Amino acid sequence: QVQVVQSGAEVKRPGASVKVSCKASGYTFTDYYIHWVRQAPGQGLEWMGWLNPKFGGTNSAQKFQGRVSMTRDTSVNTAYMELRSLRYDDTAVYYCVRADRINSWFDPWGQGTLVTVSS
Amino acid sequence: DIQMTQSPSSLSAYVGDRVTITCQASQDISHYLNWYQQKPGKAPKLLIYDASNLETGVPSRFSGGGSGTHFTFTISSLQPEDIATYFCQQYVDLPLTFGGGTKVAI
Repeated sequence: QVQVVQSGAEVKRPGASVKVSCKASGYTFTDYYIHWVRQAPGQGLEWMGWLNPKFGGTNSAQKFQGRVSMTRDTSVNTAYMELRSLRYDDTAVYYCVRADRINSWFDPWGQGTLVTVSS
Repeated sequence: DIQMTQSPSSLSAYVGDRVTITCQASQDISHYLNWYQQKPGKAPKLLIYDASNLETGVPSRFSGGGSGTHFTFTISSLQPEDIATYFCQQYVDLPLTFGGGTKVAI
């Protein structure tokens, strides 16, 4: 079945970087976009950006520009999101989601990766 | 950015009740609205896309409607397994934005 499976939880110090992976299966990886959405503890959902796995193009929400990188390795059907200069308020569950275009609905969602920023 | 305002933020109802959640967009988004269900400790799940289209496999007690700036999400007969938080999401323009969520309790 179509699914995206993410890497495990991470604990990072303030100022460090984190890289989350998202492995796709059950569909042609390069035919769909991958978006990243995060959710701080007890909070709502925040869209971070998109990746086009076919060409590698990306775009991110303004608040993350300069701090986030979205990449992919088509040989292993995996997308990556790296967030740099981590702050305490970056503590959140990060989700990768599949979408059939840039402006679209998200289905399916990865299981989420908890990133905790703590000293 | 397009702001999405959901109401109520939480509600409690009885099994079998009809439950309606509203989502208001800060500008006209036509029909470019989706609804998700998030159960505790789980990832969100797509229920409704394009304002009123039921995702495959989703029970027919769930429905969505509206266009422009005002949208509704309805559970026609609330079931115990519907305990969750529900989010709306607009996709007419970047950044894609979500409503704040509605927590549904029995």
